[in-house]
Amino acid sequence: EPEVTQTPSHQVTQMGQEVILRCVPISNHLYFYWYRQILGQKVEFLVSFYNNEISEKSEIFDDQFSVERPDGSNFTLKIRSTKLEDSAMYFCASTSRGGPGEQYFGPGTRLTVT
Amino acid sequence: AQSVTQLDSQVPVFEEAPVELRCNYSSSVSVYLFWYVQYPNQGLQLLLKYLSGSTLVKGINGFEAEFNKSQTSFHLRKPSVHISDTAEYFCAVSDGMNTGFQKLVFGTGTRLLVSP
Repeated sequence: EPEVTQTPSHQVTQMGQEVILRCVPISNHLYFYWYRQILGQKVEFLVSFYNNEISEKSEIFDDQFSVERPDGSNFTLKIRSTKLEDSAMYFCASTSRGGPGEQYFGPGTRLTVT
Repeated sequence: AQSVTQLDSQVPVFEEAPVELRCNYSSSVSVYLFWYVQYPNQGLQLLLKYLSGSTLVKGINGFEAEFNKSQTSFHLRKPSVHISDTAEYFCAVSDGMNTGFQKLVFGTGTRLLVSP
């Protein structure tokens, strides 16, 4: 069964460093999402992406964040200068179409900023 | 804007007992409703969804949920749980008027702990 994969599973970085979280969505999917979950809190929407453009972003997704689909398979989330409060589990998701289709989630990357 | 409330952070239950995980939502527009499950070290997996039609929705692993518009609820139920149902369960809502992107708004999750 096809699945969304994410690397690394756990990343530790120092405050102020840049990190790139990687996701490989399901191959025929066209709509991509990033969510995050700070420990003990809700899963929160960050950004949605389609046709090489951001379609919607939350207020969390400020200028320190960017997303990219550098090739036909990867979907990345970059944080330019990490803060302590960026420590969270980051989930990638994808769907094959718009509307209420099932979003397939990856296993997440746990980011720890020290 | 939508929001989701899962009042129970943890629900302990014995194996083969019934369980109900509560979810209430608020929205000014019509909604789609979802339940996701997260097993340890895994991603979120869709259990079931309500889009329209019958208010009783059946999902995988014997779970079902009932959409109650007047009470703005979408409680998840299972008549007899197994040890393997131990996991975190998330209720989520998305905008029912939007045919494009469907960002999900999640609740805080309920940890179901099934013991022998």
